[in-house]
Amino acid sequence: GESVGLHLPTLSVQEGDNSIINCAYSNSASDYFIWYKQESGKGPQFIIDIRSNMDKRQGQRVTVLLNKTVKHLSLQIAATQPGDSAVYFCAELSAGGTSYGKLTFGQGTILTVHP
Amino acid sequence: EADIYQTPRYLVIGTGKKITLECSQTMGHDKMYWYQQDPGMELHLIHYSYGVNSTEKGDLSSESTVSRIRTEHFPLTLESARPSHTSQYLCASSELHRGSSREQYFGPGTRLTVT
Repeated sequence: GESVGLHLPTLSVQEGDNSIINCAYSNSASDYFIWYKQESGKGPQFIIDIRSNMDKRQGQRVTVLLNKTVKHLSLQIAATQPGDSAVYFCAELSAGGTSYGKLTFGQGTILTVHP
Repeated sequence: EADIYQTPRYLVIGTGKKITLECSQTMGHDKMYWYQQDPGMELHLIHYSYGVNSTEKGDLSSESTVSRIRTEHFPLTLESARPSHTSQYLCASSELHRGSSREQYFGPGTRLTVT
């Protein structure tokens, strides 16, 4: 069945370092791959997405890379700040079938940024 | 800042009680969703709605029910709470277009404990 999962459940970095959070997916039939950030006590918040026909997309301090050959998605955060500490989820938007238009979330990665 | 609200934020209730979790959004979004999330784990879609009088079951089987009488309101009801219902419940909304589903706006969640 469809699944989206993360390689590393936790990641600790020093403030100012770059962070890389990885995600593996198994369902190739999806239009978009998305990253969400969930801070403690809050609901998830959209960060950035990438369409399946792209391999890289940049935002403000964040870059998402998509490697469809190995079904791998990553989120790079430049100059990580303490405010980036959160749980990060990857998700995919299904393109068809019974899951049409629905998000499938993977297991979160806890990012901790040390001052 | 997303304008989507959930009440109560925390609820401890005894087995067998009927409960309703409230969710309201002021963004005029047609699509609304309910997710169930255990701590640090992925989100599982339990219900969604395309608009008024539309309700659909999600990917995770749930004993809860939902209604959508008004665009802005999407309450979730458990007729008889059980300890297995203990979890966090997250409400979200998005615009109607399928691609817009990738950017969902989440409420802060209701943490439910059934004793």
